[in-house]
Amino acid sequence: ILNVEQSPQSLHVQEGDSTNFTCSFPSSNFYALHWYRWETAKSPEALFVMTLNGDEKKKGRISATLNTKEGYSYLYIKGSQPEDSATYLCALPYSGGGADGLTFGKGTHLIIQP
Amino acid sequence: GAVVSQHPSWVICKSGTSVKIECRSLDFQATTMFWYRQFPKQSLMLMATSNEGSKATYEQGVEKDKFLINHASLTLSTLTVTSAHPEDSSFYICSARNVMIGLFFGSGTQLSVL
Repeated sequence: ILNVEQSPQSLHVQEGDSTNFTCSFPSSNFYALHWYRWETAKSPEALFVMTLNGDEKKKGRISATLNTKEGYSYLYIKGSQPEDSATYLCALPYSGGGADGLTFGKGTHLIIQP
Repeated sequence: GAVVSQHPSWVICKSGTSVKIECRSLDFQATTMFWYRQFPKQSLMLMATSNEGSKATYEQGVEKDKFLINHASLTLSTLTVTSAHPEDSSFYICSARNVMIGLFFGSGTQLSVL
């Protein structure tokens, strides 16, 4: 079973500030890393799928980087807005990444304070 | 975008009764569906993987006779918690995969067993 660690567990950020949080994973046998955004009472929404070392992906004010050699990914949010409040999940495929399930971290619960 | 509908969103039942949770892909065909559960302050944990028309594959520690999974069509999978007990109280969530368009989650079911 993969050990996927996310930190911090929770984060309070002032509206307008930028923030980032981390997902750590075993660097061996890496296939892909998924970031999800999960609002309460809604479905987790896919943000990024990262596959290559050094990858950097961006979606609006949210971006993510990947370092497969050292086993971490960062998620950045620039100019936080109240609608960014959610739990951000990191997940990796169990094995080959085909039809297998995902191993999730516990998530980072982000609260943006107006 | 692709939608996965999961019902009910919450259910309270008496100990010893059975509860059925439905997961439907509304606008795509899902050859594979996954069932996860999440205990408080823990990560989403994969329970089982089901392919349409086949028996589900259960993760270690998940009792197949207690958690009955049926994936009879390409758009519907059900999870039945049989003879539920208070320790089965948890958050259950499904995801549905289409090889061409990706993986999508339901919004989850909070089960409370009294």
